Amino acid sequence: GAGVSQSPRYKVAKRGQDVALRCDPISGHVSLFWYQQALGQGPEFLTYFQNEAQLDKSGLPSDRFFAERPEGSVSTLKIQRTQQEDSAVYLCASSLEGTVRGGELFFGEGSRLTVL
Amino acid sequence: GDSVTQMEGPVTLSEEAFLTINCTYTATGYPSLFWYVQYPGEGLQLLLKATKADDKGSNKGFEATYRKETTSFHLEKGSVQVSDSAVYFCALSANTGFQKLVFGTGTRLLVSP
Repeated sequence: GAGVSQSPRYKVAKRGQDVALRCDPISGHVSLFWYQQALGQGPEFLTYFQNEAQLDKSGLPSDRFFAERPEGSVSTLKIQRTQQEDSAVYLCASSLEGTVRGGELFFGEGSRLTVL
Repeated sequence: GDSVTQMEGPVTLSEEAFLTINCTYTATGYPSLFWYVQYPGEGLQLLLKATKADDKGSNKGFEATYRKETTSFHLEKGSVQVSDSAVYFCALSANTGFQKLVFGTGTRLLVSP
């Protein structure tokens, strides 16, 4: 596709349910990022992949959060046993090469998760 | 750690007014600086950037200058349009490692006809 695609766009989960959020980056982009954006806040870094390697997961808020990119393209962010504080928009971004100074990140429209 | 502070919104202007959105940063070394914009119903997109001190980024009539002495990267536009209504995010990335962006909280701009 032409841009970064995320699905689902909206997800409502009951507290305690597991959810999976999918990101389809721009074809050929080596780097993939996940960010979390709470209401009224800026995006906060969660994790970074270079191809299939997860090089940084320092932003994941707890061990309930898990991300993978097994073939170096599509990525999935999984949240186990969701809590109300997990409610946020989850943004995926990709870039052609992740270490170029000043390189542009291309963002998807996000997946809005609401935990009841 | 690295951080970005930007003015709170909303900023409400009439069409053709002058716009300034303030942004200051705290970082070690010499980060790259960015403005991203989020139009209603769309994803974040890069508006402009600067990678070293005194660089000026510009796009779509918007400008921002990397001021190392004041650690600032204020966004300006001489004459705003209704179509500029959006949320604007200032961000930085360190000059080493990968492009991990640190964002400000965003400033909503509302332009009325």
